[in-house]
Amino acid sequence: SQTIHQWPATLVQPVGSPLSLECTVEGTSNPNLYWYRQAAGRGLQLLFYSVGIGQISSEVPQNLSASRPQDRQFILSSKKLLLSDSGFYLCAWSSMAYEQYFGPGTRLTVT
Amino acid sequence: DQQVKQNSPSLSVQEGRISILNCDYTNSMFDYFLWYKKYPAEGPTFLISISSIKDKNEDGRFTVFLNKSAKHLSLHIVPSQPGDSAVYFCAAKGYGGATNKLIFGTGTLLAVQP
Repeated sequence: SQTIHQWPATLVQPVGSPLSLECTVEGTSNPNLYWYRQAAGRGLQLLFYSVGIGQISSEVPQNLSASRPQDRQFILSSKKLLLSDSGFYLCAWSSMAYEQYFGPGTRLTVT
Repeated sequence: DQQVKQNSPSLSVQEGRISILNCDYTNSMFDYFLWYKKYPAEGPTFLISISSIKDKNEDGRFTVFLNKSAKHLSLHIVPSQPGDSAVYFCAAKGYGGATNKLIFGTGTLLAVQP
């Protein structure tokens, strides 16, 4: 069966510090991968998606970047965090079917 | 411009009764719709989906109805249980493309009272 991992679960970072969130998927090959953010009281906003190694598409201009160094690894990064980067970050994967399956999420608080 | 809308931010229902969660969309090119359930501090979990070629899909206590002419879908939960208390998101997939990108609504918080 497939599983998706995200870490860390929670993170408190000062403004201007760097960020690296990691997501890995097990039990499937060549998945589509996605990064979402849920801000307080808001829906799920798609940030990045990837259909293969090194292939990243950005949905919204922002202070964040994503990379896919391996088939089942997806990384969300920032060089300098802003207060507005606070939120709940979710990684998801999908295969040929339309359903996306989400990881447990990372709660990021920028202080 | 929000393409998928959940106009009710919250809903309260008595245990054993029916819960009806609603979702409206604006893009007639959406061809697949999904419902997700989310508990606090957890990732959403997939509940049920429906293709645009159908008007109803049922899975146990959960039924999704699609009205294409009204661009409206709803999720019915019968009977409602306290464990169903969570935020429910509807999502839509656009026609074509290899990415299976989904557009999510803002969610409805369901509270099932014992």
